Amino acid sequence: GAGVSQSPSNKVTEKGKDVELRCDPISGHTALYWYRQSLGQGLEFLIYFQGNSAPDKSGLPSDRFSAERTGGSVSTLTIQRTQQEDSAVYLCASSLGPLSSNQPQHFGDGTRLSIL
Amino acid sequence: AQSVAQPEDQVNVAEGNPLTVKCTYSVSGNPYLFWYVQYPNRGLQFLLKYITGDNLVKGSYGFEAEFNKSQTSFHLKKPSALVSDSALYFCAVRDGGAGSYQLTFGKGTKLSVIP
Repeated sequence: GAGVSQSPSNKVTEKGKDVELRCDPISGHTALYWYRQSLGQGLEFLIYFQGNSAPDKSGLPSDRFSAERTGGSVSTLTIQRTQQEDSAVYLCASSLGPLSSNQPQHFGDGTRLSIL
Repeated sequence: AQSVAQPEDQVNVAEGNPLTVKCTYSVSGNPYLFWYVQYPNRGLQFLLKYITGDNLVKGSYGFEAEFNKSQTSFHLKKPSALVSDSALYFCAVRDGGAGSYQLTFGKGTKLSVIP
């Protein structure tokens, strides 16, 4: 079966532009997570979707970041007015059950974002 | 607040020797602990988890980890390292007692297995 799919795999854009990153979770997975991985750092939690519940947005670093999940499946992470410090690898993960079920998270290969 | 520490940025081990990647954690309630591995330009892959029960947990690719409550540790181990084990390893924790809805990851340990 297909794993978590992220697109694009690489994105280079100019400072100030908006970018959209896409995540296709594993079919049937109710939970979806976005993380940011910067060089030499661990994973920074951004946002968590579970079913039809309101998302946990507590990790979003600024109001330039937003995410949505349509139909309980595909998710899009949008970064407006990009800054150089936004350069990082953005990882998406999904799990069969909610975070509280401790189901393993399955990760995509990430989008490597570079802001010039 | 929950936290996790991986005290070693890098671990080098000779092929065939046992390996240990260290992890310590801090939570207010019961810890739920995970190990993930990341190969270059790939996402993380789940290795194993401790939720409850036996302190020694066995996972994928011959890895195991030992939960030690008194030392608040969850070190990853393998009896005989392979060159293909070279990768970045992440420990993660969730605080069950606090009803946390986030998984906190360590900064990762780069494992290099030398032929």
